[in-house]
Amino acid sequence: QVHLVESGGGVVQPGTPLRLSCAASGFTFSYAALHWVRQAPGKGLEWVAVISYDGTKTYYADTVKGRFTISRDNSKNTLYLQMGSLRAEDTAVYFCVREEEAPPPLVLGYFENWGQGTLVTVSS
Amino acid sequence: QSVLTQPPSVSGAPGQRVTISCTGSTANIGAGHGVHWYQQLPGTAPKVLIYGNNNRPSGVPDRFSASKSGTSASLAISGLQAEDEADYYCQSYDTSVSGSYVFGSGTKVTVL
Repeated sequence: QVHLVESGGGVVQPGTPLRLSCAASGFTFSYAALHWVRQAPGKGLEWVAVISYDGTKTYYADTVKGRFTISRDNSKNTLYLQMGSLRAEDTAVYFCVREEEAPPPLVLGYFENWGQGTLVTVSS
Repeated sequence: QSVLTQPPSVSGAPGQRVTISCTGSTANIGAGHGVHWYQQLPGTAPKVLIYGNNNRPSGVPDRFSASKSGTSASLAISGLQAEDEADYYCQSYDTSVSGSYVFGSGTKVTVL
């Protein structure tokens, strides 16, 4: 059974860096593309970033590009999100998500497994 | 502002059929990218309901079905049950300037 457990959230001041972690189990970690998706309080889902199975490719939403860095350690089965220059609008629950392949002819996958999320609150 | 537009809310009595629309553009749904649907019960993480336009994961009741046409997609819930009261999101991929995975704005389903 797939388990994704996020940690590292908390209350931080604007501009303070923060690193989230996601410990994974129940699947072959080094084969999976992984994402961060966030949800501001009372709002909808927002995709944040994705990293390829081997860490060589990363893509970001425009709202976080240049401020956040997604990375992974396949030897530790752990995904990370390094968040810099945090703003009040980054306040959200951050979910770690495993992508599963969609059936052909679709090329991009879907979000099959989700962690329980970790809350980041940016406030002075 | 979400790239994929959904109605904020839909409601129905138990046993009724409701549908949720997801309207996109030629940069996402209309570009041939798959549409996936997620259900989020209050206080929980989202769960995949439909993947690859119209496929149900094992364990998802066949009351849930979806379709895609042109630049839009829709999710139907037949035989509405109290446990279906939740938020529903469509998701696809957008090939516009930045190119990214995108979610719909979300729809709250209320069982009357």
